[in-house]
Amino acid sequence: EIVLTQSPGTLSLSPGDTATLSCRASQAVSVSYFAWYQHRPGQAPRLLIYGASSRATGIPDRFSGSGSGTDFTLTISRLEPEDVAIYYCQQYSPPRMWTFGQGTKVEIK
Amino acid sequence: QVQLTESGPGLVAPSETLSLTCNVSGGSLSNHYWTWIRQPAGKRLEWLGRIFSSGSTYYKPSLGSRVTMSLDTSANHFSLQLRSVTAADTAVYYCARAVETFHYYIDVWGKGTTVTVSS
Repeated sequence: EIVLTQSPGTLSLSPGDTATLSCRASQAVSVSYFAWYQHRPGQAPRLLIYGASSRATGIPDRFSGSGSGTDFTLTISRLEPEDVAIYYCQQYSPPRMWTFGQGTKVEIK
Repeated sequence: QVQLTESGPGLVAPSETLSLTCNVSGGSLSNHYWTWIRQPAGKRLEWLGRIFSSGSTYYKPSLGSRVTMSLDTSANHFSLQLRSVTAADTAVYYCARAVETFHYYIDVWGKGTTVTVSS
């Protein structure tokens, strides 16, 4: 099973800052099988990025994903109060094994 | 847009069966993969398995024979059964729609429902 480790655990930033979230895999992951999600309090999780770098429908361009192999990054530019959430990375590895990172909490100062 | 809503008992006794239903609104079960994911308090999300609209299933191997997923196209919902539960099965359970094509990701999630295993 591929283990995803996210860092940092918590990110506390000011509005307008840039947040850089990291996700490291214990083995190489295909970019096609890598995604990021946002989970705001009291809401359903939401797909942000799939294929490591493709934004999902309706996601603002402040959110961008990059990376390959074992290292992936989610960048949130021009941080807004509505970005307060826990962010999770996810990978799929054949045959049919999905795993998630432990999450990074983004707070606004 | 498609919305998913989980329902079921919030409390299940040890050794009993956990049964949850996910109602799909704004869309059809057809030609999609439907999945269940859970998150125990303080732990990471865990994928439990998925069912295609044809009824074919695949479950997380570590769950063994305890898990069954099914769907009811006439009622537009799908279900999870987890047998012989223990305290370790206490978690927030999410139903979701999975995309399994060139890319693999979850494109729609429910808000989740909390299930506690306790006598």
